[in-house]
Amino acid sequence: EAGVAQSPRYKIIEKRQSVAFWCNPISGHATLYWYQQILGQGPKLLIQFQNNGVVDDSQLPKDRFSAERLKGVDSTLKIQPAKLEDSAVYLCASSSDGRSGNTIYFGEGSWLTVV
Amino acid sequence: QKEVEQNSGPLSVPEGAIASLNCTYSDRGSQSFFWYRQYSGKSPELIMFIYSNGDKEDGRFTAQLNKASQYVSLLIRDSQPSDSATYLCAVRRTNAGKSTFGDGTTLTVKP
Repeated sequence: EAGVAQSPRYKIIEKRQSVAFWCNPISGHATLYWYQQILGQGPKLLIQFQNNGVVDDSQLPKDRFSAERLKGVDSTLKIQPAKLEDSAVYLCASSSDGRSGNTIYFGEGSWLTVV
Repeated sequence: QKEVEQNSGPLSVPEGAIASLNCTYSDRGSQSFFWYRQYSGKSPELIMFIYSNGDKEDGRFTAQLNKASQYVSLLIRDSQPSDSATYLCAVRRTNAGKSTFGDGTTLTVKP
C-alpha cells in the first residue's frame, strides 16, 4: 500500500514570496490533515478535512495560509505571502476515518525555509 | 499552559535499561492518547494508542493511562540504541477531533 505522498520535499523561498505544497493521501482515507512542525516543537494542526469538507481550521492563519481538497482526494496548502516564521516542516497525514484510536499516517513532510 | 506537556529531555539511559517517558494533558475531556516516535529528519510514526485507564503492552512498549491524574506514560523495556529518537505524546478529545501533540521528549540510549 502506498503511503502519504508529498511534494516538494524541500523548498527555499524569500519572504513575501508564495509557495504551495501538494499531498496525496493513502487511497481510501477520508480524513486528511496538514500539520506544521517547527524545529524543536511538536506538530501543530493547521487544517483537517473530512472528505472535501473542512472539520477544523481554527489554527490556520487565514490571512496568509489557504488549503483545499478537491474531490476529497488530493490537497494543496498554500502560503502567500511567506514570513520568516513560516520556516518549518509541513506534514500531511491521513486516516481512514476520524474515529478514536484510528491510526494517522504521516507523509515525509515538505521542508520550507524562508529567507 | 500548554494542552499537552512533556519533559523535553534529553533523557539518557544505558542500553538494556527501562526508559520512562511522561506526558500530562489539560483537557479532562480527552478520550484517546497516542505515542509517536520521530527520528531526526523523519516524520512521526505511531507506536501505541490507549484510551482506557491502566496499562497496555505491545512488545517492549507499555503505555499507562491515568485519566484522574491526567497523565499518560510510555515505558520502553530493554532499551536499544535504535530507540534513540524524540517521542511525541498526542491526545484527542472526540472521535473525529484533532490530535494535539506535545513538543516531545528526546531519548538517547547509550550502548
